[in-house]
Amino acid sequence: GENVEQHPSTLSVQEGDSAVIKCTYSDSASNYFPWYKQELGKRPQLIIDIRSNVGEKKDQRIAVTLNKTAKHFSLHITETQPEDSAVYFCAAIAEGSQGNLIFGKGTKLSVKP
Amino acid sequence: DSGVTQTPKHLITATGQRVTLRCSPRSGDLSVYWYQQSLDQGLQFLIQYYNGEERAKGNILERFSAQQFPDLHSELNLSSLELGDSALYFCASSTGQGVRNSPLHFGNGTRLTVT
Repeated sequence: GENVEQHPSTLSVQEGDSAVIKCTYSDSASNYFPWYKQELGKRPQLIIDIRSNVGEKKDQRIAVTLNKTAKHFSLHITETQPEDSAVYFCAAIAEGSQGNLIFGKGTKLSVKP
Repeated sequence: DSGVTQTPKHLITATGQRVTLRCSPRSGDLSVYWYQQSLDQGLQFLIQYYNGEERAKGNILERFSAQQFPDLHSELNLSSLELGDSALYFCASSTGQGVRNSPLHFGNGTRLTVT
């Protein structure tokens, strides 16, 4: 089955700097890659997703890139702000699967003012 | 607000007991998913139901069971509880059978503490 690895597990940046979180997946048939943000004590919330027919997608300060050949995708946050501090999870789903998401173990991002 | 409702918010019980967690999906969503999140752990997929039928099974223990009712709400039953079952249990829903065409939306979770 699908396996998703996420790095780093923790990331600390200064406010205004960029943050990059990387994930790799094992199933070459995977075609949908969402990213979720979970603030302390709250539910995971979808922040951006990408499908395998595109290589990059942007939404204001957030972007996701996908390299299908290497089977990895990354989340990029520019001009980080303290409210970006949270745990970020990547996920993948395989074509033909039942549709459930397999999540990475998460990255705890801390943005220092 | 995601539209996914989970009750109760908190549950404290003793080892060996049985509890039921309840989830109402967003209006129009036919799939319900259950995830377990232990301290400092990621989201572990337990089980998925679509329109009343089991669709996928993950790392769900035999002591755990779930069902989805005709009104589409779902219940997760946890029995013979152990200390290690203490976790945050999330329910999520999506429109279709999977999430490729309809994103997953999470409820606020039920925090289970087994003492």
